[in-house]
Amino acid sequence: DVKVTQSSRYLVKRTGEKVFLECVQDMDHENMFWYRQDPGLGLRLIYFSYDVKMKEKGDIPEGYSVSREKKERFSLILESASTNQTSMYLCASSLTDRNTEAFFGQGTRLTVV
Amino acid sequence: GENVEQHPSTLSVQEGDSAVIKCTYSDSASNYFPWYKQELGKRPQLIIDIRSNVGEKKDQRIAVTLNKTAKHFSLHITETQPEDSAVYFCAASINTGFQKLVFGTGTRLLVSP
Repeated sequence: DVKVTQSSRYLVKRTGEKVFLECVQDMDHENMFWYRQDPGLGLRLIYFSYDVKMKEKGDIPEGYSVSREKKERFSLILESASTNQTSMYLCASSLTDRNTEAFFGQGTRLTVV
Repeated sequence: GENVEQHPSTLSVQEGDSAVIKCTYSDSASNYFPWYKQELGKRPQLIIDIRSNVGEKKDQRIAVTLNKTAKHFSLHITETQPEDSAVYFCAASINTGFQKLVFGTGTRLLVSP
């Protein structure tokens, strides 16, 4: 059973704080993704990674960075949290071999006050 | 980059009716088109997918069609049931050595008994 686990279900941070969201997968997947989910906007791709230390910008990378030091772990970093980054953040992973299903984590509801 | 548009944003049907959700994509290099269902408070989960070398795929009450020329694909749910109520996301994926998965904005389906 594939598991994608996000470190926190709910998080409250103050404006200007540096925030780390962690995601771990146990299926040896090459690809990992970070999305944010907002009502009416769907799932928007922030960053993705296809290998250790490799990263690519998605559609909305501004204000975010990522780190992939190990294959199983993909971290999303908010350098200086702002209120407009209040959102649900979803991590996902998939195999590269051929186009295959992406498995999602349970999500982190981040509130920036 | 890839852009995926999804319609309608909300869809209300009576139990037993059919429901159709439509998506268009912009990048002709996209070659994998999954559909995800997200129930309230849960993570998105794959319900059906189609690859670019196939025009139609069916799984019980769910079917997906793909028109590569027009760059659009659709989800068809027949004999809807209240448990089909959820948000549905279409996605398009480009796999050029790594996978980039871009989602539509989602359709909230409500099936009334």
